[in-house]
Amino acid sequence: NAGVTQTPKFQVLKTGQSMTLQCAQDMNHEYMSWYRQDPGMGLRLIHYSVGAGITDQGEVPNGYNVSRSTTEDFPLRLLSAAPSQTSVYFCASSLTGYEQYFGPGTRLTVT
Amino acid sequence: GENVEQHPSTLSVQEGDSAVIKCTYSDSASNYFPWYKQELGKGPQLIIDIRSNVGEKKDQRIAVTLNKTAKHFSLHITETQPEDSAVYFCAASLSNTGNQFYFGTGTSLTVIP
Repeated sequence: NAGVTQTPKFQVLKTGQSMTLQCAQDMNHEYMSWYRQDPGMGLRLIHYSVGAGITDQGEVPNGYNVSRSTTEDFPLRLLSAAPSQTSVYFCASSLTGYEQYFGPGTRLTVT
Repeated sequence: GENVEQHPSTLSVQEGDSAVIKCTYSDSASNYFPWYKQELGKGPQLIIDIRSNVGEKKDQRIAVTLNKTAKHFSLHITETQPEDSAVYFCAASLSNTGNQFYFGTGTSLTVIP
């Protein structure tokens, strides 16, 4: 199993550009989540999904969209990037909603 | 929502000594408390967890204790080794909220050889 994979590893965007961060898992996990990690602030939940077709907002959802059309994939979309979205983004998945497995992260810089 | 506080933010110990990291949470309904280890440039990795119906759990050199009355839980690492050096995060979750986890701000642990 590849586990949780994220692409790209690094990305630089200009303010106002859009992009999609990809996340995939091959463990048949129903639960998937997106977090952002900023210095001194731990990880904060952006959006999460409890199964295909079901998504909900987390702690910091503004400026981000998600969809979950398959069990395997959970992309995160930035519609109009802002410098405040400069962060490291982690995707995680879980079989039961308890033990989470994290991907390697995407480091995003918005200039 | 839930608020998780974590202390200390940095911790240095001599190899072989013990390390303790403490977290408090605000929502008494939270019932699952995992601890993650994050090495530089990598994603967090679950190292141990505890549910609210258990007071203590051990796995080799690491242990977690939970005091539901005081709403705090702690990570204990004994016989520390240089490879234990990393950032450690605590988190709290309420199982009936689907998958909403609230994380502490992290503790950077350095084990000095």
